[in-house]
Amino acid sequence: DAGVTQSPTHLIKTRGQQVTLRCSPKSGHDTVSWYQQALGQGPQFIFQYYEEEERQRGNFPDRFSGHQFPNYSSELNVNALLLGDSALYLCASSFGLLETQYFGPGTRLLVL
Amino acid sequence: GDSVTQMEGPVTLSEEAFLTINCTYTATGYPSLFWYVQYPGEGLQLLLKATKADDKGSNKGFEATYRKETTSFHLEKGSVQVSDSAVYFCALTQGAQKLVFGQGTRLTINP
Repeated sequence: DAGVTQSPTHLIKTRGQQVTLRCSPKSGHDTVSWYQQALGQGPQFIFQYYEEEERQRGNFPDRFSGHQFPNYSSELNVNALLLGDSALYLCASSFGLLETQYFGPGTRLLVL
Repeated sequence: GDSVTQMEGPVTLSEEAFLTINCTYTATGYPSLFWYVQYPGEGLQLLLKATKADDKGSNKGFEATYRKETTSFHLEKGSVQVSDSAVYFCALTQGAQKLVFGQGTRLTINP
């Protein structure tokens, strides 16, 4: 039973560029949430997708956007990258909106 | 808004010592509470959870009891191992699933 997978594992970008991160949920899960974890900090909620719609959003600017596909996989897009966007980006999946979330290994983004 | 406060780390113990990592929360309503663990270079793994007052979550020798009167969810283990070295995160969620995390506590176990 495959768990949550994310790609790529590492990414280096420069300021102003755009990046797309990908997530495949655990088998049987239909809800995907994204979190940003800065070095030495706890994860911060970015947004959540269910039935291909954004259901909740944290305190992140519109530069952060996402998408969920019919197969429940999801993308996180960040435009106009800033140095402060350097972080570990975590994807979590669950079955429905009220169930326990399971995390992937994350994508480490470095913005130079 | 909802928040979680964990004891500051790092915490360093010897193998077989007793572990307590304190976690308190502030929330309106009745949150579900979680402990997640993060090993070096990895994502978060669910360690245990409790969904209502007085529930005890347990897994791999770790335990935590949901105490509504003290708004706490302290993590305990009777005898730690070197392999328990990791960062531990306390978290809560209410209803619609946005997880709110504490800042994490780094635990190092020396042989």
